[in-house]
Amino acid sequence: LAKITQPISMDSYEGQEVNITCSHNNIATNDYITWYQQFPSQGPRFIIQGYKTKVTNEVASLFIPADRKSSTLSLPRVSLSDTAVYYCLVGDAGSSNTGKLIFGQGTTLQVKP
Amino acid sequence: DADVTQTPRNRITKTGKRIMLECSQTKGHDRMYWYRQDPGLGLRLIYYSFDVKDINKGEISDGYSVSRQAQAKFSLSLESAIPNQTALYFCATSSPGRDRNTGELFFGEGSRLTVL
Repeated sequence: LAKITQPISMDSYEGQEVNITCSHNNIATNDYITWYQQFPSQGPRFIIQGYKTKVTNEVASLFIPADRKSSTLSLPRVSLSDTAVYYCLVGDAGSSNTGKLIFGQGTTLQVKP
Repeated sequence: DADVTQTPRNRITKTGKRIMLECSQTKGHDRMYWYRQDPGLGLRLIYYSFDVKDINKGEISDGYSVSRQAQAKFSLSLESAIPNQTALYFCATSSPGRDRNTGELFFGEGSRLTVL
């Protein structure tokens, strides 16, 4: 099974850039790396997805090195409303089927005023 | 109306009882997933299904079973519930990416199960 590790928690201040790294060995060759945000009592919500190099959308950037064994979610200029749990999600290369999607344990981001 | 609907949203039951959590979706996706969430452990995959005839075990399938009654419906059953199955359960759907095997997951609002 893919081993996926993320920092348990991070603190930041409003206006700062936050980078959260996820390590994922044994990742499926043909699958995306995806990041989700979750608020209490809600289902996870899609943030960004990529395969390799760098992807940017209106809320975040995602950096993926050539070996794809890690990925870094970058949140520019965070605000209090970015306080949430952030998860990386990858496909497990150990499965005979693709599409076995495994989450990291999540990183709780606390943004302070 | 929500695209992915879970019922019940909350359920309290006793040890040994049979429980079914239901999930239905209107997104037209082939792939459906059941995840369990526990504090500090994130979301763990229980079962997933690529279509009505294709069901696969996830990370923690012991003590659970599933049924894919139709493309739009995927149920999770606990045949004999035990207290350590107390958790928040999420159903999710996806379709394959354009040129990759994974696409975005769309989640229901969760079913909170308490086993006494």
